[in-house]
Amino acid sequence: QVQVVQSGAEVKKPGASVKVSCEASGYTFTDYYIHWVRQAPGQGLQWMGWINPNSGATNFAQKFQGRVTMTGDTSISTAFMELSRLTSDDTAVYYCARAVAGPKYLQHWGQGTVVIVSS
Amino acid sequence: QSALTQPASVSGSPGQSITISCTGTRSDVGSYNFVSWYQQHPGKAPKLMIYDVSKRPSGVSNRFSGSKSGNTASLTISGLRAEDEADYYCCSYVGGGGVFGGGTKLTVL
Repeated sequence: QVQVVQSGAEVKKPGASVKVSCEASGYTFTDYYIHWVRQAPGQGLQWMGWINPNSGATNFAQKFQGRVTMTGDTSISTAFMELSRLTSDDTAVYYCARAVAGPKYLQHWGQGTVVIVSS
Repeated sequence: QSALTQPASVSGSPGQSITISCTGTRSDVGSYNFVSWYQQHPGKAPKLMIYDVSKRPSGVSNRFSGSKSGNTASLTISGLRAEDEADYYCCSYVGGGGVFGGGTKLTVL
């Protein structure tokens, strides 16, 4: 069955970067887009962007452009999201999700990765 | 792109039906049928409940249905159950990216 497993919680200082991984199994990694979505404490979902693991193409929400990098390693069926120049506003749970119907819908979600930014 | 507008909360009694609205613009919800709905229980990852405005993924109860009129999409849950109590988010995929609604907390009384 399809599984998406994320890396563990991170604590970072302001100004640092964080890199979260998303390991996929149960399907061909290059056949489906991977999205990243975050949720600040007590807040709603915020779409960050997607990566096409086959081509490496990416598309980011305007809010994160210039600060986010999304990559994929097909040899280990793992996607990565790196966010730089962290501030306390970046404290959130970060989710990856495998899409269906091209990039349009997020069907298989990871368990979430807590990222805390604190001095 | 601005977030879609949802009511902050809705409530209903077991067995009743409720509807959650999701209002966008002519540029997103009004022009494309790429609307989806997600259910999120506290501390859990979201779950896809509806896609393409009204289609259900395999395994999702037929008590959940979706529709759209103009710039507003809607999620209807019939025969409310205690386990339906959760947060619900709409999402529109347009211009190569997604935008979520602010979320609606459903309380089953």
